[in-house]
Amino acid sequence: SQQGEEDPQALSIQEGENATMNCSYKTSINNLQWYRQNSGRGLVHLILIRSNEREKHSGRLRVTLDTSKKSSSLLITASRAADTASYFCATDSSQGAQKLVFGQGTRLTINP
Amino acid sequence: GAGVSQSPSNKVTEKGKDVELRCDPISGHTALYWYRQSLGQGLEFLIYFQGNSAPDKSGLPSDRFSAERTGGSVSTLTIQRTQQEDSAVYLCASSFTSGLAGLNTQYFGPGTRLTVL
Repeated sequence: SQQGEEDPQALSIQEGENATMNCSYKTSINNLQWYRQNSGRGLVHLILIRSNEREKHSGRLRVTLDTSKKSSSLLITASRAADTASYFCATDSSQGAQKLVFGQGTRLTINP
Repeated sequence: GAGVSQSPSNKVTEKGKDVELRCDPISGHTALYWYRQSLGQGLEFLIYFQGNSAPDKSGLPSDRFSAERTGGSVSTLTIQRTQQEDSAVYLCASSFTSGLAGLNTQYFGPGTRLTVL
């Protein structure tokens, strides 16, 4: 079963606005990652945040992690049409398993 | 260097036939993963290879699915006696490190879209 759950399932905003997506998970983790997927094909790694980190930035991306609530958020600022994609969070268990467990994803649409 | 490559990019087959999907990981990456993604869904873990260790097959949905990794590099995912529910995009990923404190950033190939008629 999937560990991560993204919220919302779909998000549609105007270009220039900020987009926030949330992810919740169930078990203890080593780190949490966010990936982007265009057109249902290969995923592109965006950012990784370790379990002992609370916030991380990369360009227009800002990720937060709250291990007490087992949740993370991805903020994309000043959105662009090219940001239209599906976004997935993925976690790997601190119990030693190396596979990533993905959520169902958030479909983000940026309207010009 | 080149990223993860997969072949074929698309495969259409008839129910009951066997298919083989190929993955070439990034050179030097010791870990290789197979995932499956059904239409509009998240990724489902299938199998994981790490160096010469026994693979983690815990995600394989049935004994019709198998995978091997030869020489620690190229991997082949085989689906025997395909069923319509096997239709999905099969994604391969590789990573450089997979230790206990590893960051496990995975780099994905473009996927193979399998359609079983």
